[in-house]
Formats: sequence, structure tokens, C-alpha cells
Amino acid sequence: DGGITQSPKYLFRKEGQNVTLSCEQNLNHDAMYWYRQDPGQGLRLIYYSQIVNDFQKGDIAEGYSVSREKKESFPLTVTSAQKNPTAFYLCASSLDSPGTSYEQYFGPGTRLTVT
Amino acid sequence: RKEVEQDPGPFNVPEGATVAFNCTYSNSASQSFFWYRQDCRKEPKLLMSVYSSGNEDGRFTAQLNRASQYISLLIRDSKLSDSATYLCVVNFPNAGGTSYGKLTFGQGTILTVHP
Repeated sequence: DGGITQSPKYLFRKEGQNVTLSCEQNLNHDAMYWYRQDPGQGLRLIYYSQIVNDFQKGDIAEGYSVSREKKESFPLTVTSAQKNPTAFYLCASSLDSPGTSYEQYFGPGTRLTVT
Repeated sequence: RKEVEQDPGPFNVPEGATVAFNCTYSNSASQSFFWYRQDCRKEPKLLMSVYSSGNEDGRFTAQLNRASQYISLLIRDSKLSDSATYLCVVNFPNAGGTSYGKLTFGQGTILTVHP
């Protein structure tokens, strides 16, 4: 089945530790995105990548890092510099080509709790 | 002014009711518009794209008013299973004026349909 997978579903870490969230897609989409969602709030863009080996900061990139070495994969590292890392993290992908409407498809998300 | 603004609700309606959600956006150059649905503790899922002429999908009707920078979603004959948060989503062009895949999400409107 085509889709986006994120792992793990739940993740618990101690404060001060870096943690990497996985995102894989087999939809052959060019663009991939990472969002963060806090309770009662909308989605905020952390990083996005339109092509392999290139990525751009979103609205709240501080304390996060990403890589895009393969088209299918866009892992997100939450570093110890991120002040409030506990959140629901969502990965998405889209075709992102001229003439498309840019709708994004989401993975199931990872709930990160840092104590 | 928020880039994408929605009435957060909550809307509590009985089964069979008709309910309408509204959304305004700030960038008159936006080209793509969507409604997503998000169930509690799940990822957002694309409900429908919104086209200039308006479009309908079963019980759901979306309208776009570019002059007023306004999008609406109408749900007829509400079902219990329609209970969710509805996200208004807009594609904003980049600084150069070209469209690309960065979407901006509203905070969402909560709908509860009761028996």
C-alpha cells in the first residue's frame, strides 16, 4: 500500500537528550514536511524539503534539524536546544509540482513526551 | 491578522442538522484551498479541495469567495461520525509570487454531532 509511515507512534525521552523521528513515504512525492501540533492549536511548520539534498526552515525551526538524503525519507531530530519538545509531530508529503494543487498527505504522527 | 482564521467553535449540533464553517485568509494571491478533517489524536486527512466555482462531495459543499478572501464548508444531514475538527488550509505563494507547496493551517473548528 502507498502511504506515509512514521515511527515510533509514542516516544518518551529525558530532557537533554536528542531524539530522531522517522518519516518514510512510498508515494514518489517530491516534497516532504514536518509539523508540530500542540493541544488546542493548529499545525506549525518546522522544516520542509522540495527536493533531495535540500531543505528549508519553516516557522519554528529552532531546536530542530533534518536531512533529506533520499527521496523517500525525511527524518527529524529534536535536539536538546528545543525548549518545549513535548508535542504531536506530523510528517506530510506532496507532489509539489507546477500545475498540481499541492494537497499534502500525512503520516499517523509521533507523540513525543520529554520529562 | 492571522494568515488563516477560523471560528474555533465548538459547534454542537443534533444528527441531521446542517452546519456551516467559515474561514478567512490574508493573502489575496493564494491559489489552492482545502478542508481537512482531524479526528481526536489522529493525523489530518484531506476532506476536499476548494475550487473557484464551488464544489460538492456528497453531503459536503465547499465555496470560495476570492473577492472577500473567504472559504466555507457546509455539511448537510450531519452524522455522528462527522464529529471531528475541521481545518481550513491555504497555499500561500512565496515572496517571489510563485506557488509552491507550503500550506498554512487554520486552528480548526470543532464539531460535535449528538444523537
